[in-house]
Amino acid sequence: DAGVIQSPRHEVTEMGQEVTLRCKPISGHDYLFWYRQTMMRGLELLIYFNNNVPIDDSGMPEDRFSAKMPNASFSTLKIQPSEPRDSAVYFCASSFGGALYEQYFGPGTRLTVT
Amino acid sequence: RKEVEQDPGPFNVPEGATVAFNCTYSNSASQSFFWYRQDCRKEPKLLMSVYSSGNEDGRFTAQLNRASQYISLLIRDSKLSDSATYLCVVKQTGANNLFFGTGTRLTVIP
Repeated sequence: DAGVIQSPRHEVTEMGQEVTLRCKPISGHDYLFWYRQTMMRGLELLIYFNNNVPIDDSGMPEDRFSAKMPNASFSTLKIQPSEPRDSAVYFCASSFGGALYEQYFGPGTRLTVT
Repeated sequence: RKEVEQDPGPFNVPEGATVAFNCTYSNSASQSFFWYRQDCRKEPKLLMSVYSSGNEDGRFTAQLNRASQYISLLIRDSKLSDSATYLCVVKQTGANNLFFGTGTRLTVIP
C-alpha cells in the first residue's frame, strides 16, 4: 500500500498568492493531521480531522489558513494570502485510532514565499 | 514554556560509541511518549514508543521518569546510519494530538 501522498513536493510563490497543499492519507486511516515544520519552532500541529471532521484547529495560525477534508481520501490546506513567514515544510500525517498509534507522515511540501 | 524540550545538539560521536538523549515535558498529565527519527529533508518516522517500565529495541533503549518528567533514548554501538534528528514526542491524556520536541541532531562519524 502506498504511504501518505502529498503534492506538490515543492512550491515557490510570491507574497499575496493563494497556495493549496494536498494530501492523500493511507487508506483505512481515520485520523489526518497537518503539521508545519520550521527550524525555529520545530514541528507544530495545525489541525487534525477524525473521520473527515475537523476536531482541533487551534494550531492554525490565523484566518489566512484553512483546511478541508471532503472525503476520507483527500485533504487540502490552503493559505490565502500567503506571506514570507509562511515559508516552511508542511507535513500531512495519518493514523488509525488517534495519537496513541503510529502516525505515518507524507514526504512534505516545502513552501517558499518570496 | 514549551510542552517538550530537547537539547538540539549536535551530538557528534564516533562509530561504536554509546550516546544518550534526554527530553523533558511540562504537562504532568502526559500519557504516552514516543521517539521519532527524522533524516535530513525527510519526514519523521516512528522509532519506538516509550513504556513506563522502559523498553529496548535492539541497540535502542528508551526510559521514562514520570516523577521528573523526562524521557531518555540510549543508542549503543552507534552506526553511521543512526545519523539523524531524534524527536521526542508526547501525547496528553484525552487529546489526540502529539507535541513534538524540536529534535536532537546526531552525527555518527567514521
